Amino acid sequence: AAGVIQSPRHLIKEKRETATLKCYPIPRHDTVYWYQQGPGQDPQFLISFYEKMQSDKGSIPDRFSAQQFSDYHSELNMSSLELGDSALYFCASSPGSLYNEQFFGPGTRLTVL
Amino acid sequence: GNSVTQMEGPVTLSEEAFLTINCTYTATGYPSLFWYVQYPGEGLQLLLKATKADDKGSNKGFEATYRKETTSFHLEKGSVQVSDSAVYFCALSLYNTDKLIFGTGTRLQVFP
Repeated sequence: AAGVIQSPRHLIKEKRETATLKCYPIPRHDTVYWYQQGPGQDPQFLISFYEKMQSDKGSIPDRFSAQQFSDYHSELNMSSLELGDSALYFCASSPGSLYNEQFFGPGTRLTVL
Repeated sequence: GNSVTQMEGPVTLSEEAFLTINCTYTATGYPSLFWYVQYPGEGLQLLLKATKADDKGSNKGFEATYRKETTSFHLEKGSVQVSDSAVYFCALSLYNTDKLIFGTGTRLQVFP
């Protein structure tokens, strides 16, 4: 069965650079979620989109922005990267808002040097 | 606020031992409850869920019962295997939002 695809899987950036993470949801899933998992920590919700509109927002820094496109894929844009942004970034998708079951991608590991 | 508290790990067991990982929650309203598992180097996989009080979620020999009176959702397995070694996250979501609120995770290590 098709799963959530995230790219790239690994990304290394310097401080103050920008990064773009991409997420391709499971076909026919119209809701996408982004989570950030720091080293040894639990995943923290960043932001979600339903039918290309932002549906909820968590602890996402102002330096980050995200959007969902007409094909339902989503991109997380991160600017002025800081060392503390080094983390595993997960994308999850679900078929419709308030469905409750989220299917997670393998994550993108971002390292900021 | 809404939160999930899990027992600290690591939990170290021998193969075929009984497993319990405690999870309690604080939430407004009636949350849905989940257990996710994360194998080394992989993403989160849904292990089981329960959406209302007294529901029992089960999968791959794991079980958890939604206990409203004790606000708990403890994970149990009767006989663990080496392949169960992973990090287990308890999580909740509220009715009016899909975002998941995770506990800190419990690492399980099973030795032959």
